Amino acid sequence: AQSVTQLGSHVSVSEGALVLLRCNYSSSVPPYLFWYVQYPNQGLQLLLKYTSAATLVKGINGFEAEFKKSETSFHLTKPSAHMSDAAEYFCAVRSSNDYKLSFGAGTTVTVRA
Amino acid sequence: EAGVAQSPRYKIIEKRQSVAFWCNPISGHATLYWYQQILGQGPKLLIQFQNNGVVDDSQLPKDRFSAERLKGVDSTLKIQPAKLEDSAVYLCASSLQSGGASGELFFGEGSRLTVL
Repeated sequence: AQSVTQLGSHVSVSEGALVLLRCNYSSSVPPYLFWYVQYPNQGLQLLLKYTSAATLVKGINGFEAEFKKSETSFHLTKPSAHMSDAAEYFCAVRSSNDYKLSFGAGTTVTVRA
Repeated sequence: EAGVAQSPRYKIIEKRQSVAFWCNPISGHATLYWYQQILGQGPKLLIQFQNNGVVDDSQLPKDRFSAERLKGVDSTLKIQPAKLEDSAVYLCASSLQSGGASGELFFGEGSRLTVL
């Protein structure tokens, strides 16, 4: 069975600063990895996904994530935070032989002016 | 393109009462999911349908929860009787069958349940 662990339930950054959200996965087979964002009172929206092509994945709104097999990590970054990035972010994993998508506990991002 | 529709958006009931949530997926999406999201936690899969068949319901509390997708399109999730710990947001999602394991899930806005 696959799972993900998100390190840090809350992250606070200044506007214009680097955003770094950490995600480590556990999977016995090559995984598919996803980052979703959830704004208040809304559903989840896909930011980006890793599907075994390029290890550096670019997503929407300036976010990107790097798949590192040796570290079993898929950390999400954005070089310069914007106030509109304030939301909850979820890392998720799915294996190639199991269509079940498993989510981490989420990281809430606060952006300070 | 219309997104995943869910109703009601909010529901408040007393424990031991029943409640039903409805979901209409994106047109043409064969796979439909119900997730439970408790405050402060990530979404947890309750049940997954492929067309009108159940693919995975291993985490569905079957003594009180039921779900159906009779015609392979819209779906209903029911809770009867509700417990306090059922207070959560119930998210419906859909995906293309052809998307495979790497395919994107599209989520509705969720139905927030409060059990008093």
